[in-house]
Amino acid sequence: GESVGLHLPTLSVQEGDNSIINCAYSNSASDYFIWYKQESGKGPQFIIDIRSNMDKRQGQRVTVLLNKTVKHLSLQIAATQPGDSAVYFCAENSSGNTGKLIFGQGTTLQVKP
Amino acid sequence: DGGITQSPKYLFRKEGQNVTLSCEQNLNHDAMYWYRQDPGQGLRLIYYSQIVNDFQKGDIAEGYSVSREKKESFPLTVTSAQKNPTAFYLCASSIGGPTEAFFGQGTRLTVV
Repeated sequence: GESVGLHLPTLSVQEGDNSIINCAYSNSASDYFIWYKQESGKGPQFIIDIRSNMDKRQGQRVTVLLNKTVKHLSLQIAATQPGDSAVYFCAENSSGNTGKLIFGQGTTLQVKP
Repeated sequence: DGGITQSPKYLFRKEGQNVTLSCEQNLNHDAMYWYRQDPGQGLRLIYYSQIVNDFQKGDIAEGYSVSREKKESFPLTVTSAQKNPTAFYLCASSIGGPTEAFFGQGTRLTVV
């Protein structure tokens, strides 16, 4: 069945280093992907998204890479800060215009001072 | 300010009782969604609605019910048929189609 998965449950990085969070998806028909950040006890917040006709998109300190050949998505965070500590989820839309998102299990990012 | 509001933040329910979680948005979004999140896990879709007076089951709809009588509101009822209702419930809205969904701050439901 459809699934969106993350390679590592926890990622620990030093403050100031770059972070890379990975995600694998199984549905080659998915046309839209999105990364969310969730802090403890709060709702997910949008970070960045990418459509299937692109392979890279940059935001402020974040970059999303999409490799459709191997069905892989990654989130890169430059100069990681303590405020980046959270759980990161990737999600995919594979159901056309319904807007339903399928979420991965999440990766916890821990930033060491 | 536009946004999506869930209430209450914390909710306690006795076994056998129905309980309704509120979700209101003033973003003028057509689509609204309810997700359930269990500890250490991702979000799973309960119900979604693409337009007023219409809604569809998600992946884990059993034991839940919804209504969409107004564009701004999408309440979720957790019924006594839901055997394991303790979880964090998240409501979201979007303009529809493959696009960003905006989330509320969640309601943590605990069965006592």
